[in-house]
Amino acid sequence: AQSVTQPDIHITVSEGASLELRCNYSYGATPYLFWYVQSPGQGLQLLLKYFSGDTLVQGIKGFEAEFKRSQSSFNLRKPSVHWSDAAEYFCAVGADTDKLIFGTGTRLQVFP
Amino acid sequence: DAGVIQSPRHEVTEMGQEVTLRCKPISGHNSLFWYRQTMMRGLELLIYFNNNVPIDDSGMPEDRFSAKMPNASFSTLKIQPSEPRDSAVYFCASRPSAGGYYGYTFGSGTRLTVV
Repeated sequence: AQSVTQPDIHITVSEGASLELRCNYSYGATPYLFWYVQSPGQGLQLLLKYFSGDTLVQGIKGFEAEFKRSQSSFNLRKPSVHWSDAAEYFCAVGADTDKLIFGTGTRLQVFP
Repeated sequence: DAGVIQSPRHEVTEMGQEVTLRCKPISGHNSLFWYRQTMMRGLELLIYFNNNVPIDDSGMPEDRFSAKMPNASFSTLKIQPSEPRDSAVYFCASRPSAGGYYGYTFGSGTRLTVV
């Protein structure tokens, strides 16, 4: 069965600094991978997804993620963080089963 | 596209009362999911439907919880009787079809407080 691990519960960065949120998955084949963002009081919004092909995928709000099969990782990055990026971020994996499996989330705090 | 619509946005009820949460998925989406989110337990899948048929309800906490999807455009999650530990944000999500290929579109959630 597939699983997702987000090792960092909470990350704090300064506005303008670069960001990388970690996500590791467990699955025997190539999974479908997703990143979602949840702003306070809101539902989850899809940032980007990976199915196949180019391992570097671009998403909304200036985010990108890179699929690394050798490391079973799908880390989310942004070169320069804005205060409005403060939110909770969820990595998810989908495979043969119908359900997406979500990680436990990483809360991002941005200092001015 | 109106997105996934949930109602009400906020619900405050007394312990023992019946609570009904409502969800309208995106038109044309064939799969619907109900999630619960709390600080302690994070995001939990309660139940999901494909083509209006419940596929997996193993996440439903107990018999007090029930969910229905009478047609492709409407689903309800009912708690009867409600208890304070049911206080959480309940999300509905939909996707175009079955299969792990598709991401979900989430509603804005219903914040339930049971006092």
